[in-house]
Amino acid sequence: EDQVTQSPEALRLQEGESSSLNCSYTVSGLRGLFWYRQDPGKGPEFLFTLYSAGEEKEKERLKATLTKKESFLHITAPKPEDSATYLCAVLSLLRDTGRRALTFGSGTRLQVQP
Amino acid sequence: KAGVTQTPRYLIKTRGQQVTLSCSPISGHRSVSWYQQTPGQGLQFLFEYFSETQRNKGNFPGRFSGRQFSNSRSEMNVSTLELGDSALYLCASSGTRGLNTEAFFGQGTRLTVV
Repeated sequence: EDQVTQSPEALRLQEGESSSLNCSYTVSGLRGLFWYRQDPGKGPEFLFTLYSAGEEKEKERLKATLTKKESFLHITAPKPEDSATYLCAVLSLLRDTGRRALTFGSGTRLQVQP
Repeated sequence: KAGVTQTPRYLIKTRGQQVTLSCSPISGHRSVSWYQQTPGQGLQFLFEYFSETQRNKGNFPGRFSGRQFSNSRSEMNVSTLELGDSALYLCASSGTRGLNTEAFFGQGTRLTVV
């Protein structure tokens, strides 16, 4: 069974204090890893998709990286508006059915204080 | 460009009843996927529809079903409601590549079963 674990569960940073969020996974047949941010009372908002180990993507203060076992979301010089829950999700191929399975981690609640 | 629209936003039902939720995807998107989000289990994938056919399915009982119409609008039905079905139900739309690419989420329907 596919497993996705995110750490830490919660993270409090001072504005400008860079850090990284971790998403480790155990899946059969990785087809993609996604990062989303979710604000309270809203649906998740897409950030990045990574498809293969070694891939990196950047957007403003965020950078996502992928290895064969985990992904990191690096936040450089965060601002209070970066406060949100960050979710990662893994898309895998089910070899017995040929269908896709999508498994989410439990998220990291990030709070950035001014 | 209008986003993903879910109706209703809030719903209260009694145990044993059934409920139907609606989702209108972004214009031109043919893939609609449904998710259940609870504090205990996090975000879980229910199923994905593409061109009126269920293309992928998560591990939920048969009480959870869905359908998609020719205009890509989708409905999700839950029969014989249980207290544990109380959750935020989210739908997301994607382009042709479906789960393999970024998903745009709606605001969700908050279902409370009493």
